[in-house]
Amino acid sequence: GQQLNQSPQSMFIQEGEDVSMNCTSSSIFNTWLWYKQEPGEGPVLLIALYKAGELTSNGRLTAQFGITRKDSFLNISASIPSDVGIYFCAGQLPASNTGKLIFGQGTTLQVKP
Amino acid sequence: GAVVSQHPSRVICKSGTSVKIECRSLDFQATTMFWYRQFPKQSLMLMATSNEGSKATYEQGVEKDKFLINHASLTLSTLTVTSAHPEDSSFYICSAIGSGDSYEQYFGPGTRLTVT
Repeated sequence: GQQLNQSPQSMFIQEGEDVSMNCTSSSIFNTWLWYKQEPGEGPVLLIALYKAGELTSNGRLTAQFGITRKDSFLNISASIPSDVGIYFCAGQLPASNTGKLIFGQGTTLQVKP
Repeated sequence: GAVVSQHPSRVICKSGTSVKIECRSLDFQATTMFWYRQFPKQSLMLMATSNEGSKATYEQGVEKDKFLINHASLTLSTLTVTSAHPEDSSFYICSAIGSGDSYEQYFGPGTRLTVT
């Protein structure tokens, strides 16, 4: 089936550092979404991207929809301890008219105070 | 923002019994709801897509007779795990999409099922 390759798989950083993670695919996507999941909770939507080249910010988070429509990145600036969690990218294929998403494998972020 | 609730948050049941999980969109009408399963340290695995008033569409490998999905209204979908076995123990999460053009999925808080 379709896959999104998300990297890195995990990150352990110092508080205050910037973080970058990305997702790539061999397929073109219409929509890219970035979610954060904390232990025992459902994912929470962080940023949604709808156009190739689109760059969107949400506070300290910035995400971009790649020009080729096959990739997206998420940056977190000046990380803080509450940024800890698993970050998932998700994409919607052009052929999907149901809103079905393909998820990346997740990036586990740990922040050392 | 769009809020999705799930009930119960945790359930323990005995092998062979059935368990029902509810997913509700609290402040919007959900034309489509999705049910996912997640194992520890893994990504979300889509089980089925549920549209109000019609039969659910199951992903390959998901037994529709074991995981019964009902989407009776625009704010409620239920997942029933029938004749549960220990291997059905998992974290079940639903999500919902509103009736607008956006395909942003909003997730519930999840239900931890443990089958003993």
